[in-house]
Amino acid sequence: GQQLNQSPQSMFIQEGEDVSMNCTSSSIFNTWLWYKQEPGEGPVLLIALYKAGELTSNGRLTAQFGITRKDSFLNISASIPSDVGIYFCAAYNTNAGKSTFGDGTTLTVKP
Amino acid sequence: GAGVSQSPRYKVAKRGQDVALRCDPISGHVSLFWYQQALGQGPEFLTYFQNEAQLDKSGLPSDRFFAERPEGSVSTLKIQRTQQEDSAVYLCASSSTPGRSTEAFFGQGTRLTVV
Repeated sequence: GQQLNQSPQSMFIQEGEDVSMNCTSSSIFNTWLWYKQEPGEGPVLLIALYKAGELTSNGRLTAQFGITRKDSFLNISASIPSDVGIYFCAAYNTNAGKSTFGDGTTLTVKP
Repeated sequence: GAGVSQSPRYKVAKRGQDVALRCDPISGHVSLFWYQQALGQGPEFLTYFQNEAQLDKSGLPSDRFFAERPEGSVSTLKIQRTQQEDSAVYLCASSSTPGRSTEAFFGQGTRLTVV
């Protein structure tokens, strides 16, 4: 079935550093999403991307929808301790409704 | 409440027992999704409802899994004769827009442990 390959699996960074993570697929999608999940909670939507090439920001977060429609990346600038969590990419095609998720990037920020 | 509510938060079942997991979506949300999240992995789609109609159940792993939403609001995911591989967090999400996962809000999940 459809699969999203997310990398890196985990990151250990110092507070204030920038972070970059990405997601690739062998299939084309027309919507890409980025979520953050904290322990004991459900995923929370951070950014949604609807057009190939689109670059969208949400505060210190920036995400891009790849031109090929098979990839996306998420950048976090000037990381802070509360950025700790698991970041998931997800993607879907409009008529399908359901989202396919990557396996997540676990971010640890050292103060 | 204001968000998606799931109960119980934690469930321990002996292998072979039946379990029922409940989801209370945000009031008025027409779309409801169930996902299964195994440890260390991303959520995997199980099934989707639009109001009371189950439009997609392609992700249900076996006929031991059954979901319903009889009045288009509360939904129940039932697992019969639980197996150890059913141990996971079961997430429910709801959306005000038909079929649009992007605006879906997730509940906190039910962590099922089968012993």
